[in-house]
Amino acid sequence: QKEVEQNSGPLSVPEGAIASLNCTYSDRGSQSFFWYRQYSGKSPELIMSIYSNGDKEDGRFTAQLNKASQYVSLLIRDSQPSDSATYLCAVSSGGSYIPTFGRGTSLIVHP
Amino acid sequence: EPEVTQTPSHQVTQMGQEVILRCVPISNHLYFYWYRQILGQKVEFLVSFYNNEISEKSEIFDDQFSVERPDGSNFTLKIRSTKLEDSAMYFCATTWDRRINEKLFFGSGTQLSVL
Repeated sequence: QKEVEQNSGPLSVPEGAIASLNCTYSDRGSQSFFWYRQYSGKSPELIMSIYSNGDKEDGRFTAQLNKASQYVSLLIRDSQPSDSATYLCAVSSGGSYIPTFGRGTSLIVHP
Repeated sequence: EPEVTQTPSHQVTQMGQEVILRCVPISNHLYFYWYRQILGQKVEFLVSFYNNEISEKSEIFDDQFSVERPDGSNFTLKIRSTKLEDSAMYFCATTWDRRINEKLFFGSGTQLSVL
């Protein structure tokens, strides 16, 4: 059973701060890692994907991957109230290409 | 940006009734998926569909569920005899070529309520 674990939160940060979201996964064969954002009552929306160890930056978002530790994280710099949402970590293996989702971490950015 | 369209947005049904959820994929996408999300829980994979056949399915996708693409446009999920525990948000997702780009485009979902 492939598991993707996330702290459900909520994680509360002040506007302008860095939000750090973490995810661990059980399948060592995992090759693709994704962060989706889901606003309440809405569908998931992909914000970052990462495939190799290290950091990947896209605007205010940085994804970090450590395959040895089976750990992936998402940093959001200069957090805005509009970033308040649930962030879903998803992981897939090369053989399946079917993303398995974690339960998500609720982020609240307060003014 | 192109969108995946799902209908209806809400469906209320009585236990034991059949429901059909519909999805119109993005036009050049080849891989289609159904996921569901029970309130407060994780997004769970149900089934994937490629080249007019099921390519993978989860343990959730039992004999009560079926999928088809009858007319080359709509991609449907049928639940033959709904149970209370089928109440969830059902998401259709599509992608162009999962070997090249694994980004899933999600539809806005169908909220299914089984009474």
